[in-house]
Amino acid sequence: GENVEQHPSTLSVQEGDSAVIKCTYSDSASNYFPWYKQELGKGPQLIIDIRSNVGEKKDQRIAVTLNKTAKHFSLHITETQPEDSAVYFCAASRGYSSASKIIFGSGTRLSIRP
Amino acid sequence: KAGVTQTPRYLIKTRGQQVTLSCSPISGHRSVSWYQQTPGQGLQFLFEYFSETQRNKGNFPGRFSGRQFSNSRSEMNVSTLELGDSALYLCASSRGTSDNNEQFFGPGTRLTVL
Repeated sequence: GENVEQHPSTLSVQEGDSAVIKCTYSDSASNYFPWYKQELGKGPQLIIDIRSNVGEKKDQRIAVTLNKTAKHFSLHITETQPEDSAVYFCAASRGYSSASKIIFGSGTRLSIRP
Repeated sequence: KAGVTQTPRYLIKTRGQQVTLSCSPISGHRSVSWYQQTPGQGLQFLFEYFSETQRNKGNFPGRFSGRQFSNSRSEMNVSTLELGDSALYLCASSRGTSDNNEQFFGPGTRLTVL
């Protein structure tokens, strides 16, 4: 079946440094790639997303890049802060209309060292 | 605007029992989806409802069922509980339109089966 691989599973960075999380998807028809942040005791929250007609998208300290040829997409967090500590999930979806089409990665636990 | 709410937040049951979980979506959202989250399997899609109709179902046994009411509130039921059903059950709501399916997650219900 279709799947999304996410690396690394854990990541520890010094406060102020950058963090990068990478995902690879298998379904070449995927055209929507959301990223979620899940804090302890809470549900996942969408932090940024990208559609297949765009190669890069930025929102303040967060950016996502997409390489459709290689079927790779990545999350970049710059100037990390303690509140960035959480589990991050990437996902790939074929279309925008159904939750059933969203395949999630296995998650990356990001820790920010003070 | 109130977010997605789920009740109860925590639940402890024994094998063989059944359980009902409840989800209230964001006002105006007509689509509700349910996910099971476990450390080993990650986020797995259970089912999706739109305007009281089940639109899609994931690969889970028939012990897992759900429904949606006319006010878009949804319930999911698990019968004959097994130890492996212990998980965080997440509900997400969205507008469910063809160009906007952003998932807004609730905090989840932590189910423990003893």
